[in-house]
Amino acid sequence: AQKVTQAQTEISVVEKEDVTLDCVYETRDTTYYLFWYKQPPSGELVFLIRRNSFDEQNEISGRYSWNFQKSTSSFNFTITASQVVDSAVYFCALRDSNYQLIWGAGTKLIIKP
Amino acid sequence: EAGVTQSPTHLIKTRGQQATLRCSPISGHTSVYWYQQALGLGLQFLLWYDEGEERNRGNFPPRFSGRQFPNYSSELNVNALELEDSALYLCASSEGTELAKNIQYFGAGTRLSVL
Repeated sequence: AQKVTQAQTEISVVEKEDVTLDCVYETRDTTYYLFWYKQPPSGELVFLIRRNSFDEQNEISGRYSWNFQKSTSSFNFTITASQVVDSAVYFCALRDSNYQLIWGAGTKLIIKP
Repeated sequence: EAGVTQSPTHLIKTRGQQATLRCSPISGHTSVYWYQQALGLGLQFLLWYDEGEERNRGNFPPRFSGRQFPNYSSELNVNALELEDSALYLCASSEGTELAKNIQYFGAGTRLSVL
């Protein structure tokens, strides 16, 4: 069965701290894609990154970085030097050969000034 | 370039009525997806349209239906509204169905309140 687990329901940190959001997935497919989206209070889901199953290179984009490890079926997301504007709900998702996105439950990130 | 646009932003209906939600995809995108995000329930996949055809639907009753027009815009219709239909309805679009092209970009959503 396809499944995405975001075990952290809510994380609260003080501004400038580093924070890692965990994502663990299950799939039997050999070809699949993993995604991270951000949902600020306004409601719109904002695409952050896509990673395919054949590319295990870590990705860094400014203060954001992603660690994809097939051995542990994880695709974790780290924000370095967090800022108040990073406060949002973050979703991890898996897209398999059935063309459907399977979503994690989301992690609510609160950055306190 | 305009993103995915949804209308209306808010919609208030009473139980038993019908609601129609609209979505315009990003220019050049042929696939449209609908999701329901009810409070505390996460994102639930509703419907997927591509090139005017319904390609897949989630585990929702038949009173949730929709269509995609020749210009790739889409409507979601919810008949016989129930209180539990109150939710944020999100529309997304993507370039196509190929895995390599499938990044879904989302609109700001329509918040449906059923009284």
